[in-house]
Amino acid sequence: DIQMTQSPSSLSSSVGDRVTITCRASESISSYLSWYQQKPGKAPKLLIYAASTLQSGVPSRFSGSGSGTEFTLTISSLQPEDFATYYCQQGFTFGPGTKVDIK
Amino acid sequence: EVQLVESGGGLVQPGGSLRLSCAASGFTFSSYDMHWVRQATGKGLEWVSAIGTAGDPYYPGSVKGRFTISRENAKNSLYLQMNSLRAGDTAVYYCARAPEGATYFDYWGQGTLVTVSS
Repeated sequence: DIQMTQSPSSLSSSVGDRVTITCRASESISSYLSWYQQKPGKAPKLLIYAASTLQSGVPSRFSGSGSGTEFTLTISSLQPEDFATYYCQQGFTFGPGTKVDIK
Repeated sequence: EVQLVESGGGLVQPGGSLRLSCAASGFTFSSYDMHWVRQATGKGLEWVSAIGTAGDPYYPGSVKGRFTISRENAKNSLYLQMNSLRAGDTAVYYCARAPEGATYFDYWGQGTLVTVSS
């Protein structure tokens, strides 16, 4: 089975900061990588699929890149509503999550 | 508007059974793969089962033989029959939609809590 890791596991940032989260796969997964945002008590929300395709309605400050085994989610300018936990996903396997909170 | 509404969660004793339902609306249900994903309190997301448009089911090893996913397209409904429940099955269970053949979930329900405890 392919294993997914994320780094960092948590980070503290300020509004307006550029934030980058990394997801690594234990073997090459081409571009079959998705990103989700989850706020406390809410269902996950799809942000990006196929590594870099922005889901309809998701703000353009979110972007994804990468292929093979290393992928990144970037938030270009962190907004108050972006404080949440972010998960990557390959196939039916999710990464452990990265919690983004307020510095 | 796409909506997925889960129901059927609750408290069940170890070894017991529970059937979850997910009512779908706002899209052509029969044209999408459907999934169940669970999340224990304070933990990450774990895929539980999938069913394709042709009714083909898929399970991870952790639930295979205990859980059964099914769908009833005429009722726009997805189900998860859970048997031989264990404490480790305690979680919020979400139903989620995926474009046919895709492995990303573009819409999720609000979840239903299953607690397995004596």
